[in-house]
Amino acid sequence: AQKITQTQPGMFVQEKEAVTLDCTYDTSDPSYGLFWYKQPSSGEMIFLIYQGSYDQQNATEGRYSLNFQKARKSANLVISASQLGDSAMYFCAMLDSGYALNFGKGTSLLVTP
Amino acid sequence: DTAVSQTPKYLVTQMGNDKSIKCEQNLGHDTMYWYKQDSKKFLKIMFSYNNKELIINETVPNRFSPKSPDKAHLNLHINSLELGDSAVYFCASSPTGYGYTFGSGTRLTVV
Repeated sequence: AQKITQTQPGMFVQEKEAVTLDCTYDTSDPSYGLFWYKQPSSGEMIFLIYQGSYDQQNATEGRYSLNFQKARKSANLVISASQLGDSAMYFCAMLDSGYALNFGKGTSLLVTP
Repeated sequence: DTAVSQTPKYLVTQMGNDKSIKCEQNLGHDTMYWYKQDSKKFLKIMFSYNNKELIINETVPNRFSPKSPDKAHLNLHINSLELGDSAVYFCASSPTGYGYTFGSGTRLTVV
């Protein structure tokens, strides 16, 4: 069964606008971590943000914030003030008792001028 | 000073050949991984080693064999390469139970 679901294969956003990338997850473990990674066209995997299941506050890292809704099992990534360099694939991932990050299928984000 | 380095970055080889991809991390992490990213960009765990001990071995053909000579190195050897093995292979490392640092990937093309 798929543990991480990203329902948006592709998204467009205009420069300087905010965009939300959706992620839902499935686990029965009470302790887990949620991650977002960015993969630009150059191919490297860049860590963006982390949210622990027991964290009381939503994680933020610069222009990235994670909208964590535990009861709904969602961990959406919000990018504020989009820049052209934000165009990339974005992956949501979860680490629970399985010892390895499980990734979603990714969302391709294109930022337009 | 690269944290997780993989070599080679590109690998083009013929069907039936045997090849290896090397990975080294200088972060002092206990756990290392191999992931495969297919043509649709899906990332799937293949193997994980913790302090040189194999802890995850997903359903991959036994033509794929990981080797960890020490906790800073995790190499991937592939025998009898097939067209379907063409993909990007990522090495990663982490302190146990936390986020990963990925290598830059090895693009394997089997012709």
